[in-house]
Amino acid sequence: DAGVIQSPRHEVTEMGQEVTLRCKPISGHNSLFWYRQTMMRGLELLIYFNNNVPIDDSGMPEDRFSAKMPNASFSTLKIQPSEPRDSAVYFCASIELAGVNEQFFGPGTRLTVL
Amino acid sequence: LAKTTQPISMDSYEGQEVNITCSHNNIATNDYITWYQQFPSQGPRFIIQGYKTKVTNEVASLFIPADRKSSTLSLPRVSLSDTAVYYCLVVKDQAGTALIFGKGTTLSVSS
Repeated sequence: DAGVIQSPRHEVTEMGQEVTLRCKPISGHNSLFWYRQTMMRGLELLIYFNNNVPIDDSGMPEDRFSAKMPNASFSTLKIQPSEPRDSAVYFCASIELAGVNEQFFGPGTRLTVL
Repeated sequence: LAKTTQPISMDSYEGQEVNITCSHNNIATNDYITWYQQFPSQGPRFIIQGYKTKVTNEVASLFIPADRKSSTLSLPRVSLSDTAVYYCLVVKDQAGTALIFGKGTTLSVSS
């Protein structure tokens, strides 16, 4: 299995631009998580989905952030408009609901907002 | 979920055994103790999970006393490649629940 796939791996954009991060979970996994990591705040949960349904989005910092999971094999995290303080590494993780609580993380997307 | 406390950093030399202790005083009956490892520029990776007593796999051992208020991750004979951040988490056994990461322990292994 290719593991969790995230794209792009690196994104550099200017303040005010829209940013879309993408994630493909491991096939068969039906729970998906978005995390953000910065030096100051560490690794934070943003939102997670079970069976494509958002369960908890309390970690989404502002209305500028939105996430969707239109099907079991794809999710997006969108920031519009982006701000410099959004610069971070964004991780996607997936897990099979019927299995052990062991999350598999993707390689992350490093976002820089200038 | 129970809050965890672990050392911010540890230093070791190659070939030594490293023990990282984590406190989780408010752990609930149905909570498990889980450890993740994160290398620079990579996502966290599951290492080991346990409920009580001792669990061992090919990477590490996890020791959990009877009161479950703490746990110790043991890495035998570390190498330079074990330099990473190690996170102790208290999780629900049920998959599909969120992980709450703390600051973790940065382990530095030197030759």
